Parts: sequence; structure tokens; C-alpha cells
Amino acid sequence: DAMVIQNPRYQVTQFGKPVTLSCSQTLNHNVMYWYQQKSSQAPKLLFHYYDKDFNNEADTPDNFQSRRPNTSFCFLDIRSPGLGDAAMYLCATSRLFNEQFFGPGTRLTVL
Amino acid sequence: EDQVTQSPEALRLQEGESSSLNCSYTVSGLRGLFWYRQDPGKGPEFLFTLYSAGEEKEKERLKATLTKKESFLHITAPKPEDSATYLCAVQEVGGTSYGKLTFGQGTILTVHP
Repeated sequence: DAMVIQNPRYQVTQFGKPVTLSCSQTLNHNVMYWYQQKSSQAPKLLFHYYDKDFNNEADTPDNFQSRRPNTSFCFLDIRSPGLGDAAMYLCATSRLFNEQFFGPGTRLTVL
Repeated sequence: EDQVTQSPEALRLQEGESSSLNCSYTVSGLRGLFWYRQDPGKGPEFLFTLYSAGEEKEKERLKATLTKKESFLHITAPKPEDSATYLCAVQEVGGTSYGKLTFGQGTILTVHP
């Protein structure tokens, strides 16, 4: 089945220790998104790509970066995680302006 | 700035007790309004897209409707397995984003047997 895959599902890191979350898709969608979702809150868009074109939300911290080496893969790098970065990180994909399909998420814990 | 407000924040129903969830939105130009279901610890699952006022979509016990200012998600004769958080999101026409969604806070639905 075509799908959005996120690895790992659970990630524990230490304060200040860099971490990378990955997302892959078999849907061949040209847009990929990274969202941060904290407990009982709405998903908050961090960045998105249309093919190689990168869009960064104005309020996304500099601590967060992303890479999209090809159509299928996208990575979220958190350079120096703080306690406030503990959250669920959701990857989504879509055809341009169509519905977004989400992966299962990566739960990040910062100790 | 786009705004999406969902009400109520939480809704508890008995099995078979029909009800509606509300999503009010403010956007300069609506490209689409999306409904998602999210189970605890999982990613949102797509339910419906609505594009224009008067449009309706149905899936099993769920029916979504759209006006110029709000959308409703009607749940008919709900079952315990319908328990989840229901998220509404809007997509705006124009701008530099590629299909960016602005989400509401969600309605937590609990259906008791």
C-alpha cells in the first residue's frame, strides 16, 4: 500500500544533542510537510517543500532545519533540542493543493 | 491571518446519540476546508475536503457540510469506535505557500457504549 513512513516512531535524546527524524513516501507526491504537534494542540507547520522549493514558516525556530534529497525522502534536523521541543513530529505529503496524507508521527522526548 | 475555531472542545455522547461538531473559519479566500480524524498517538487521518458553500460529503456515519463562514461535521448514531479528536483545517487561495493548512484546535469526541 502507498503510504507515508516515519522513523523512528519514538526518539529519546538529551538536551542539546542533535537529532534527525526521517520521513519517506511511496505516494510520489510533490509536496512534503513537517508539523510539530504538542499535547492537546493543533499541528503547527514548520516547513514544506514543493519539489526542491523550500518554504520556512516565519516562526519556525532556527534550531530546526530540513532536507529533501529526493522526491521520496525528507528529514527534520533539530540541532540543539531543548525541553520545549518535546512533541510529536508529523510528516505529511500531498499533490499540490490536494488533501495531505500524514505519517504515524515520531514522538520526541528530550531529557 | 487565517483563523480556525472548533467547538465544542470536547463532546461526550452516548452510543446512538447524534450530534454535530462546528468549525468556524476566517480566511481571505478559501481554497478548501479539510476534516481529519486523529486517534491518540497517531497521525491525522483524512476524512473530507469541501471546496464551496453548499457542498456536502458523506462517509459512513459522518457527513460534512460547508457554508461561507463555517463547516459542520454531523455524526449520526455514533459508535464507540468513532471516539477520536476531529480536526478541521483550511487552505487559503494565493500566497506563497504550497497547500499550507491552518488547523483548528480540534474537538475531542468520546462515545460511551
